Amino acid sequence: QKEVEQDPGPLSVPEGAIVSLNCTYSNSAFQYFMWYRQYSRKGPELLMYTYSSGNKEDGRFTAQVDKSSKYISLFIRDSQPSDSATYLCAMSVTGNQFYFGTGTSLTVIP
Amino acid sequence: NAGVTQTPKFQVLKTGQSMTLQCAQDMNHNSMYWYRQDPGMGLRLIYYSASEGTTDKGEVPNGYNVSRLNKREFSLRLESAAPSQTSVYFCASSGMTGQLNYGYTFGSGTRLTVV
Repeated sequence: QKEVEQDPGPLSVPEGAIVSLNCTYSNSAFQYFMWYRQYSRKGPELLMYTYSSGNKEDGRFTAQVDKSSKYISLFIRDSQPSDSATYLCAMSVTGNQFYFGTGTSLTVIP
Repeated sequence: NAGVTQTPKFQVLKTGQSMTLQCAQDMNHNSMYWYRQDPGMGLRLIYYSASEGTTDKGEVPNGYNVSRLNKREFSLRLESAAPSQTSVYFCASSGMTGQLNYGYTFGSGTRLTVV
């Protein structure tokens, strides 16, 4: 069993839709949770970071962590064509060795 | 521009050849990492260096060596390249204060093909 599971998609939504991206994990000791966005042929860029549990909001993006269910989510409101990318979740126990999901490919259709 | 710089961007090697991937960061980060990214496998940690002078194995270290040359530079060496090492390699760095990790900053990647 992989440490982190993520549905690869692809996910296709109309512009303006709310997007929900999710990851599940098996290691209950994970306490650092991150979401990255990766455009084609580019390096991942950090979107959201959460330490321990709870919610975090930044503009159109909201990250949620449910440690009891070992489940994290990223919500994108008012999605834009520029949001079309692959979204990667990542998590760690110590903050040094992160385990990444395989990524979900998102396309936002104008 | 501040960030993580990787060289080269592309490389084709023959089986058995060796090469070194270079990485440098100018953000004064303590920690540096090498990941490989393969379709369907996601990003997997090869080696990391939590601070200058230390290195540790990650999830997939076999066939690789690393050197933390100084605080800025962290290189990855393939001693005898194999087709299974065909991948996109990313270097990253991160800063930490206590328990707070500020997330990775990634380089733009090196696309390596071993034939």
